[in-house]
Amino acid sequence: LAKTTQPISMDSYEGQEVNITCSHNNIATNDYITWYQQFPSQGPRFIIQGYKTKVTNEVASLFIPADRKSSTLSLPRVSLSDTAVYYCLVGDSGGYQKVTFGTGTKLQVIP
Amino acid sequence: NAGVTQTPKFQVLKTGQSMTLQCAQDMNHNSMYWYRQDPGMGLRLIYYSASEGTTDKGEVPNGYNVSRLNKREFSLRLESAAPSQTSVYFCASSDAGQGYTEAFFGQGTRLTVV
Repeated sequence: LAKTTQPISMDSYEGQEVNITCSHNNIATNDYITWYQQFPSQGPRFIIQGYKTKVTNEVASLFIPADRKSSTLSLPRVSLSDTAVYYCLVGDSGGYQKVTFGTGTKLQVIP
Repeated sequence: NAGVTQTPKFQVLKTGQSMTLQCAQDMNHNSMYWYRQDPGMGLRLIYYSASEGTTDKGEVPNGYNVSRLNKREFSLRLESAAPSQTSVYFCASSDAGQGYTEAFFGQGTRLTVV
């Protein structure tokens, strides 16, 4: 199983861009990188997934360098409602039994 | 679409009591999972079912049993509840094996064992 390392917490002011970096040095060839968001008292929710280079959707962007040993989730112009825990996961298409949720990064958006 | 539905949302048990947590998904997913989340922690996998008719242990299976009743339903049973099982339980499903894998989670069951 690929181990991931991400900061425990981050603070950001409203309106700023937030970048959360995840390290996954032993990522395997078939592994994807997936980010989830979890609000208090709710189940995690999928944000974005990528394999290499850059992926963008209406919520976030995911930057993956050529060696794929790290990835960066970018949240543009955060608001108070983006205060949540963000999890970086690494795994292949074989199912989530092979994926480990770490403790995630607790993002606190400040007014 | 309801997605993943868990019942009950809250439950208080006395030590030694038993109960079953129910989970149902309406997305025709093959794989289903049970996680527990303790305060300030990430999710830990209890059991999973890769496909209908199969179940396997995850990271923390002790004290739990599961049943994959059909493709839609995956239940988690605590035979003799202990205070250490106080946690929030999440059920999830995914269409594993299709390349792109997004897991959908239920709203959770907050269980307190006294």
